[in-house]
Amino acid sequence: GENVEQHPSTLSVQEGDSAVIKCTYSDSASNYFPWYKQELGKGPQLIIDIRSNVGEKKDQRIAVTLNKTAKHFSLHITETQPEDSAVYFCAASMGPNSKLTFGKGITLSVRP
Amino acid sequence: DTAVSQTPKYLVTQMGNDKSIKCEQNLGHDTMYWYKQDSKKFLKIMFSYNNKELIINETVPNRFSPKSPDKAHLNLHINSLELGDSAVYFCASSQGTRLVETQYFGPGTRLLVL
Repeated sequence: GENVEQHPSTLSVQEGDSAVIKCTYSDSASNYFPWYKQELGKGPQLIIDIRSNVGEKKDQRIAVTLNKTAKHFSLHITETQPEDSAVYFCAASMGPNSKLTFGKGITLSVRP
Repeated sequence: DTAVSQTPKYLVTQMGNDKSIKCEQNLGHDTMYWYKQDSKKFLKIMFSYNNKELIINETVPNRFSPKSPDKAHLNLHINSLELGDSAVYFCASSQGTRLVETQYFGPGTRLLVL
């Protein structure tokens, strides 16, 4: 089955700096890659996703890039703010009827 | 308006007991899920239902039994609770029958087995 790994497990950045979180996946058949943000005491919430027919997608300060050859995708957050502090999960799926396999999560801390 | 709600929010119980967690979504979604998040934050799917039919059943002990009385509700019953069942359980829902649609998570139920 699919295996998704996230690196690093924790990341601390200064407010205003950029943060990059990387994920790798094992199954080349995967074609859907969402990112979820989980704030303390809450459930995960989708922040952006990408499908395998595109290489990059942006939404304001957030962007995701996908490299299908290398089987990795990354979340980029620019101009980080304290409210960006949370646990971020990447996930992968092989298609409409396949479950999401989540990475182990990364804790992002934005220092004011 | 709460999109996906779960009750209870906290559940503390003794080993061997039977307990239930309830989930309701008011989004009109067709698919609902149960996830388990362990103490290391690892999030793993347990079950998925589409229009009351079971479509994903991961390697979960038989002590866990989901029940979907209608497509807006997915409850989780756990028999003979064990220490290792302590975790946060999240319910989620998504539109349509494709599992690659956005999943909306509930606030979680924090289960502690003593």
